[in-house]
Amino acid sequence: RKEVEQDPGPFNVPEGATVAFNCTYSNSASQSFFWYRQDCRKEPKLLMSVYSSGNEDGRFTAQLNRASQYISLLIRDSKLSDSATYLCVVSSGGYQKVTFGTGTKLQVIP
Amino acid sequence: GAGVSQSPSNKVTEKGKDVELRCDPISGHTALYWYRQSLGQGLEFLIYFQGNSAPDKSGLPSDRFSAERTGGSVSTLTIQRTQQEDSAVYLCASSLFGQGNQPQHFGDGTRLSIL
Repeated sequence: RKEVEQDPGPFNVPEGATVAFNCTYSNSASQSFFWYRQDCRKEPKLLMSVYSSGNEDGRFTAQLNRASQYISLLIRDSKLSDSATYLCVVSSGGYQKVTFGTGTKLQVIP
Repeated sequence: GAGVSQSPSNKVTEKGKDVELRCDPISGHTALYWYRQSLGQGLEFLIYFQGNSAPDKSGLPSDRFSAERTGGSVSTLTIQRTQQEDSAVYLCASSLFGQGNQPQHFGDGTRLSIL
């Protein structure tokens, strides 16, 4: 089983729709979680950290489910500019390298 | 403020040549990572530096790949005797500390093409 798994998509959604992605992780000791966004032929950029209590940033909501070992990203009122690949990142904490998922591609359609 | 800087932005070279890729991390960041990404693929971890500790080289695909980080700042990734399968975007990232709870900040990458 991969350390971090994501559905590669693509998820094709109309503008204004709500879309959610999940990311599962295998190491129950994982402590830190992030969502990154990567535009085509660009570098990944931090979208948001994922906190145990869940967190929201505008149209974006991130949740952590430790019991089932997954994190989720919810995007409300999708915009064309949300089209990108969304990478989840998981770390076991301490002085450890982080593990990136392979990403979920989102295409928002007019 | 200055972000992670990588050079060159693009590099085209002939098979068999050696190449050097440079990464200048954000000032004060003690952790530095190298990844590579082939077209349409995910990030592949290569190597990780944390302060003065021995680097984690577990991701280097072969002994043709090496990296160093001088003075705890600038890092150079060297690929010797390049092969066509080395063609990819090489991304460098830094974080404030090497702890997993610190987000990584990426440079724009070096697009390497081996002819």
